[in-house]
Amino acid sequence: KQEVTQIPAALSVPEGENLVLNCSFTDSAIYNLQWFRQDPGKGLTSLLLIQSSQREQTSGRLNASLDKSSGRSTLYIAASQPGDSATYLCAAPGAGSYQLTFGKGTKLSVIP
Amino acid sequence: NAGVTQTPKFRILKIGQSMTLQCTQDMNHNYMYWYRQDPGMGLKLIYYSVGAGITDKGEVPNGYNVSRSTTEDFPLRLELAAPSQTSVYFCASSYQLAGGPPDTQYFGPGTRLTVL
Repeated sequence: KQEVTQIPAALSVPEGENLVLNCSFTDSAIYNLQWFRQDPGKGLTSLLLIQSSQREQTSGRLNASLDKSSGRSTLYIAASQPGDSATYLCAAPGAGSYQLTFGKGTKLSVIP
Repeated sequence: NAGVTQTPKFRILKIGQSMTLQCTQDMNHNYMYWYRQDPGMGLKLIYYSVGAGITDKGEVPNGYNVSRSTTEDFPLRLELAAPSQTSVYFCASSYQLAGGPPDTQYFGPGTRLTVL
């Protein structure tokens, strides 16, 4: 069974700082991995989907990397802004599965 | 496109009552999902559907039922509500090619349910 862990659970940084969010998964035979953003009281918004054949995927100030062999993914946020404050979740399917297993998320606070 | 819509946004139920959470998507997605999110926990899959007329259990299906009579709609039914079903419920949808990898899931805004 796939297990997804996100560390740290919460992170507070000053505005303008670059930061990295971590995600680890136990079953490395995944099709892909997804990163989502969740604002308080809202649904999830997809940020990036990185395929198993890719090592990186970029969207604006966001860059996600995937290392299947070590069971890790990172989400890099450049030049953080207060509007980046949210909870970030990663999700990965199990081997041969389409069902996503979610981590508990990292709650990011960017201080002006 | 409205994307994924859910109704109601909030609901308070008494123990033993029943209700249906509505979910509709207008993106012609074949896959639809129901998750619940408890405080401090990740999302847990309740049920999913790969197309009209086809549903299957996820990780936490007990106490819930679903149906998928159309591509657009995927209602979640709670029978005999219990306090353990107090949670935030999210519906999601995605388009999957047959035999292809999971694609991006699009989420609704959620339904916050309290059972007292």
